[in-house]
Amino acid sequence: GEDVEQSLFLSVREGDSSVINCTYTDSSSTYLYWYKQEPGAGLQLLTYIFSNMDMKQDQRLTVLLNKKDKHLSLRIADTQTGDSAIYFCAESIPTPTGRRALTFGSGTRLQVQP
Amino acid sequence: DADVTQTPRNRITKTGKRIMLECSQTKGHDRMYWYRQDPGLGLRLIYYSFDVKDINKGEISDGYSVSRQAQAKFSLSLESAIPNQTALYFCATSDARWDRGENRRYNEQFFGPGTRLTVL
Repeated sequence: GEDVEQSLFLSVREGDSSVINCTYTDSSSTYLYWYKQEPGAGLQLLTYIFSNMDMKQDQRLTVLLNKKDKHLSLRIADTQTGDSAIYFCAESIPTPTGRRALTFGSGTRLQVQP
Repeated sequence: DADVTQTPRNRITKTGKRIMLECSQTKGHDRMYWYRQDPGLGLRLIYYSFDVKDINKGEISDGYSVSRQAQAKFSLSLESAIPNQTALYFCATSDARWDRGENRRYNEQFFGPGTRLTVL
């Protein structure tokens, strides 16, 4: 979606940290999400963060949220070859019906080199 | 068994043909969605349905129609396929989850495996 922007590609070496960045536009977003798409599969929810939080940690994953700049990042510590996938940032935005729907970024392809 | 299934998984068709993509779910969710994925553009929402009688257009609904036959089934049709509808199509369902830390609900979407459609 055009309202959520991500870089398209990131390459890291196994064991290094990966940082995937995202900018979003809707300041009314309540939750922001990171989804992971492995080759040949649909997306799966990886983690999420509520908009009044600055940081959320979940094992090797750290999500940082800068509301002022509308910037979201996902840090993967000790990146493994199994982390190779496409990572999508998503925000929850209001629709014309008043309900909320997700808008996804273009996805960042993470390539982990052995 | 997969919770969200899509048929067919691959389809090649010709310009002008009518195509239907099917989605079934066993998760018992009311909300269902159709997205298309194009390289470099991410996922874009085509249609969504919050229950059997509630169907709404998404970001890119032109050239598509949907039918919600039951809570478990949501079909996407291309009335007259054109080459720029070549893409990977995903069906998804969603359910509200409880975020204990924030004492609030968030939505998690569950995706099918996708249908790769090629229009020649």
